[in-house]
Amino acid sequence: QKEVEQDPGPLSVPEGAIVSLNCTYSNSAFQYFMWYRQYSRKGPELLMYTYSSGNKEDGRFTAQVDKSSKYISLFIRDSQPSDSATYLCAMSPYNTDKLIFGTGTRLQVFP
Amino acid sequence: GAVVSQHPSRVICKSGTSVKIECRSLDFQATTMFWYRQFPKQSLMLMATSNEGSKATYEQGVEKDKFLINHASLTLSTLTVTSAHPEDSSFYICSASFAGGNEQYFGPGTRLTVT
Repeated sequence: QKEVEQDPGPLSVPEGAIVSLNCTYSNSAFQYFMWYRQYSRKGPELLMYTYSSGNKEDGRFTAQVDKSSKYISLFIRDSQPSDSATYLCAMSPYNTDKLIFGTGTRLQVFP
Repeated sequence: GAVVSQHPSRVICKSGTSVKIECRSLDFQATTMFWYRQFPKQSLMLMATSNEGSKATYEQGVEKDKFLINHASLTLSTLTVTSAHPEDSSFYICSASFAGGNEQYFGPGTRLTVT
């Protein structure tokens, strides 16, 4: 079993839809949780960074962490075609600077 | 803020030659830099972690004599692929983090093609 599980998709939604992207993990030591967006042939871009359980909102993006269920989510409201990309979750425990990545979910938002 | 650059963005080299890729943090001091490799439609594979002034720590299965990493300053790390072969063709991405931060900021990547 992988430490971090993420559905690879692809996920195809119409413009304006609410998108829900999820990751599950098995290591209860994970404390820091990140979401990255990666466009084709580009480096990942940090979207959201959270620690511990709870919600964090930034514009159209909301990151949610449920440590009791070992489950994190990224919600995108009013999705746009420019949101079409691969979304990677990443996490790390308290005592290391290494990130463990999910496999990424490919999102396609069509007009 | 937190901008990381990589150079070159794309390189083609002949089998047997060496290629150097530079990674720079432009607006912050990167105490730690990371080198990843990514195959098409796959996630990032960590190759090594480097701290300024120290030897890099390589992940299991990564040949340290083939992938030479130097982190000479708080804003620059280099990856040299020595005696490159076609199977080394890949997308190489660096990232950087600053002291006390767990988040990593990524460069735009370098596409290496070995012919």
